[in-house]
Amino acid sequence: TQLLEQSPQFLSIQEGENLTVYCNSSSVFSSLQWYRQEPGEGPVLLVTVVTGGEVKKLKRLTFQFGDARKDSSLHITAAQPGDTGLYLCAGVSNYQLIWGAGTKLIIKP
Amino acid sequence: EAQVTQNPRYLITVTGKKLTVTCSQNMNHEYMSWYRQDPGLGLRQIYYSMNVEVTDKGDVPEGYKVSRKEKRNFPLILESPSPNQTSLYFCASSLITETGSTYEQYFGPGTRLTVT
Repeated sequence: TQLLEQSPQFLSIQEGENLTVYCNSSSVFSSLQWYRQEPGEGPVLLVTVVTGGEVKKLKRLTFQFGDARKDSSLHITAAQPGDTGLYLCAGVSNYQLIWGAGTKLIIKP
Repeated sequence: EAQVTQNPRYLITVTGKKLTVTCSQNMNHEYMSWYRQDPGLGLRQIYYSMNVEVTDKGDVPEGYKVSRKEKRNFPLILESPSPNQTSLYFCASSLITETGSTYEQYFGPGTRLTVT
């Protein structure tokens, strides 16, 4: 069974601080997706990383795919209250997505 | 507007009373999937479908049924709901790549089910 361990599960920080969320697996993925979910809504895709070592930036969010395509990280610089939400990573393996358990992020003003 | 719709959004029912949650997408996606989301457990796949008349079990299929008679619809059926099926359910759809992998998943708004 493929597993994708996401950490931390919960993070509450002050506005302006930096943070990193990790997704780790012993399995190799063809790509890895990051989603954000807000209360009462379904997850929405933020980014897909495909190549080992790839780095993608989305404003203050930086996503990195590990060289071996087994892990990924999401770094947020100068977090804002609008970044509050549940962040989910999902590794793509054949026709299925392997989901992390999610990181609940709260940014306090 | 490209979207995935689910109905109902909220449902409270009693043990054993059959129910169906509908899911429809207007993006002509081949792949559709049902997930349940529980605190601390993330998204767990119930069933998925690669195309019309092609369905397969996910990680937690017990107590659920699905059908894919049309490309756009993928209903989730609970023949005899039990309290442990109380959860938040999401339907999702996506295209499939030539190698059989999935692209971005588009999610519906969710159905919050309570079984008493």
